[in-house]
Amino acid sequence: GQQVMQIPQYQHVQEGEDFTTYCNSSTTLSNIQWYKQRPGGHPVFLIQLVKSGEVKKQKRLTFQFGEAKKNSSLHITATQTTDVGTYFCAGRSNDYKLSFGAGTTVTVRA
Amino acid sequence: EPEVTQTPSHQVTQMGQEVILRCVPISNHLYFYWYRQILGQKVEFLVSFYNNEISEKSEIFDDQFSVERPDGSNFTLKIRSTKLEDSAMYFCASNLDSINSPLHFGNGTRLTVT
Repeated sequence: GQQVMQIPQYQHVQEGEDFTTYCNSSTTLSNIQWYKQRPGGHPVFLIQLVKSGEVKKQKRLTFQFGEAKKNSSLHITATQTTDVGTYFCAGRSNDYKLSFGAGTTVTVRA
Repeated sequence: EPEVTQTPSHQVTQMGQEVILRCVPISNHLYFYWYRQILGQKVEFLVSFYNNEISEKSEIFDDQFSVERPDGSNFTLKIRSTKLEDSAMYFCASNLDSINSPLHFGNGTRLTVT
C-alpha cells in the first residue's frame, strides 16, 4: 500500500534560522496537502499542491511538489517561536486515499 | 468560520467499557472521517463515511469500532469494548469532497482507558 515518509522526525532550530522538512511517497500522488498541529491542538490545513513542480509560498513558508509528484518539501525561513508545532504532509494517491506522514516536530530556541 | 466540533474533550473509561465519541461536522460537508493519534505519534486514518455508509476503513477499524450518523448533524464513533491501547486522541474531520478538499479537523477527544 501507499506509504508516506517524512524526515526529519524532529527539528530543533535556532530562532532566525531556516529549515526544511521532506516528504516522500512510495507511489505517485494526485496531490499533497500540508497541515500544522500546534502542541495540544489539532491539525490545521496549510496548503495543497497539485501540479508537478508546483511551488507555493505563504509568507515565510515555501512548499514544493516534486516533478515526479512523489515528493514534497516545506521550507521555513527565519524561524520564529510561532512556528513551533508538528508539520504533517498528507499525500493523496490516484485512488484518492489520503495518507499522512509521521510529521516533523519543530522546536525553536530563542 | 464554521468548525467541526467534538464532545467530550476528554473521556476516561475503564477497560471493557463502551464509549461513544461525538462529532458535528461542518454543515455543508459531505465526507466525514475519524482519525486517531496516539500521544506523540502520527495521525492514523480509521474510517471515512459518505452518503450514510462507510466508504473506507483501515486495519485499525476492527469489529470493536462502529460509526453512525444518527441524525442530520451528528457523526459518532463507538468503541464497544475498550482496550488499554485504545487510549489516544480521536479526531473527527470533514470535507466537501474526497478528492481535492482539505480536511477540517475538530479539536479532538482525548480517550484514556484505565
